[in-house]
Amino acid sequence: GAVVSQHPSWVICKSGTSVKIECRSLDFQATTMFWYRQFPKQSLMLMATSNEGSKATYEQGVEKDKFLINHASLTLSTLTVTSAHPEDSSFYICSAGGTADVLTFGAGSRLTVL
Amino acid sequence: GNSVTQMEGPVTLSEEAFLTINCTYTATGYPSLFWYVQYPGEGLQLLLKATKADDKGSNKGFEATYRKETTSFHLEKGSVQVSDSAVYFCALRTDGYNKLIFGAGTRLAVHP
Repeated sequence: GAVVSQHPSWVICKSGTSVKIECRSLDFQATTMFWYRQFPKQSLMLMATSNEGSKATYEQGVEKDKFLINHASLTLSTLTVTSAHPEDSSFYICSAGGTADVLTFGAGSRLTVL
Repeated sequence: GNSVTQMEGPVTLSEEAFLTINCTYTATGYPSLFWYVQYPGEGLQLLLKATKADDKGSNKGFEATYRKETTSFHLEKGSVQVSDSAVYFCALRTDGYNKLIFGAGTRLAVHP
């Protein structure tokens, strides 16, 4: 079946540095990918829709200059957390696919900013 | 606004026990409703769905009925197994395109 791989699965960085998280569709092409953020014991929050070959669409309240999304190919989308701070520590999850009932989710990437 | 509320976990059960995980929603219009499951170390997987009132979604022994009058979509299973241990997410979609709104997730632990 369809597989979405995220890398790294966990990362620790110092405050002020930037971190890149990759989301790859391993056996299918995805013109659209979605990035979610999950705080402990809270819902997954949709951050943005990543569109291959064009700019990402960000949800209200999400800083696009803080969370840079690039979808340069049909199998790869990247999320870069720029100048990370402790409040950016969270679990980031990507998904890819068409309609919601065929969305495939990655296993998530846990970011800890010291 | 649109939102999903799930019962807090963790839910701890013995094998073969009956499971209910409550989910209620607030939405404008007529949402589609989903249950996703996340096994340890894996991504979220669609477990079941219902697209209109009174629909019952079912899969792997789990089922949930879309109740418009109570705005609920409770997940049930008659006899849980250890392999059902996972985190379960209730979600809704109000537009036609993938904007899923998730509940906080409920962790289920089933012991032999």
